Amino acid sequence: DTGVSQNPRHKITKRGQNVTFRCDPISEHNRLYWYRQTLGQGPEFLTYFQNEAQLEKSRLLSDRFSAERPKGSFSTLEIQRTEQGDSAMYLCASSPGVGSGNTIYFGEGSWLTVV
Amino acid sequence: AQSVTQLDSHVSVSEGTPVLLRCNYSSSYSPSLFWYVQHPNKGLQLLLKYTSAATLVKGINGFEAEFKKSETSFHLTKPSAHMSDAAEYFCVVSQAGTALIFGKGTTLSVSS
Repeated sequence: DTGVSQNPRHKITKRGQNVTFRCDPISEHNRLYWYRQTLGQGPEFLTYFQNEAQLEKSRLLSDRFSAERPKGSFSTLEIQRTEQGDSAMYLCASSPGVGSGNTIYFGEGSWLTVV
Repeated sequence: AQSVTQLDSHVSVSEGTPVLLRCNYSSSYSPSLFWYVQHPNKGLQLLLKYTSAATLVKGINGFEAEFKKSETSFHLTKPSAHMSDAAEYFCVVSQAGTALIFGKGTTLSVSS
């Protein structure tokens, strides 16, 4: 089992550019989550998918952010017109299914620096 | 609404001494509670979880936590700290059908 995989691991971009992150969850995990973590803070929930359906979005997810999971496998998180405040680590996680007791497994994150 | 409060932002211990990281939670219903650890430049790793079974939960690397409903607490302990335990620790709450809610984290420093 290869775990949750995220690409790229690091991205430096100029303000105003678009960036896209990819997440490959653990095979057969039907729940996929995106979180954002800034320095010195705990991860903050952004959105999650049950298979290909996006079931919940945080108020943190502005209209510049869009997430997709087209076939219920991998997911992408796109940030349009990046701002310096978007600089953070973006974490992807997956879990086997419904139920709060299911363990959620995290990837190593994608660091975004907006200059 | 559910939330967690980690009572210490930084805890320092000497190697071989006990570790106590404190967490209080707030939840309308029976929550599931977790502790995750994050080493520098690494992803989050699950230490242990409570899901309404035994109130004393044992995790990896000698850590354990006790769920105390009357005190709404879920403190993390370890009898003897090791240098490799130095990391950021997060207390996390979840309710059925919702995503995880993280505390702000406690930085554990271990000195020799």
